Amino acid sequence: DTEVTQTPKHLVMGMTNKKSLKCEQHMGHRAMYWYKQKAKKPPELMFVYSYEKLSINESVPSRFSPECPNSSLLNLHLHALQPEDSALYLCASSEKTGTGKVGYTFGSGTRLTVV
Amino acid sequence: AQSVTQPDIHITVSEGASLELRCNYSYGATPYLFWYVQSPGQGLQLLLKYFSGDTLVQGIKGFEAEFKRSQSSFNLRKPSVHWSDAAEYFCAVGDPSTGGYNKLIFGAGTRLAVHP
Repeated sequence: DTEVTQTPKHLVMGMTNKKSLKCEQHMGHRAMYWYKQKAKKPPELMFVYSYEKLSINESVPSRFSPECPNSSLLNLHLHALQPEDSALYLCASSEKTGTGKVGYTFGSGTRLTVV
Repeated sequence: AQSVTQPDIHITVSEGASLELRCNYSYGATPYLFWYVQSPGQGLQLLLKYFSGDTLVQGIKGFEAEFKRSQSSFNLRKPSVHWSDAAEYFCAVGDPSTGGYNKLIFGAGTRLAVHP
């Protein structure tokens, strides 16, 4: 299995809703990532987990709450989002190495619309 | 700080023509360089990567890229473009300073259109 699976593919939520994005990989990768991509823009890093521990938070607002319950799963919990949070949310994974010489495997993303 | 520049926002080529997408990076040490492709509404697929060694790198789908340290460039090439190559292409540089986590910094992307 060489894929990163993200669910749901599309999500529409109101500003008072609570929802979660899910990401799963079975490649034995020990680093997992959340990226946010606005329309016609490159992806921007949000969070990095390594060995199920949060290692990088790129100053993301607290209305985004990541969780890594085990080595195969990564969640992104959403609460009280704003319309400007509408974007494609991409999950990725990689081997954890000391040199950083790895390539990411990306999922197909969740298209989030906040109304 | 590391940065990546893709000078061409939009490129149009005819099917069967050759292609070169430009990428320039700014990084003090040996960079880790990547090219990714993204079809509309999809995730990113790794085309190829360069860490060290041979400066001409072969990737998937018939793509190759050449690392030129003197020009701080990592241009992507394909000898004959197919209509299915129409997509957004991102050049990225990895930041090995982040404790082994490959924090990718992406260029703005180049949108490729292919005319029949």
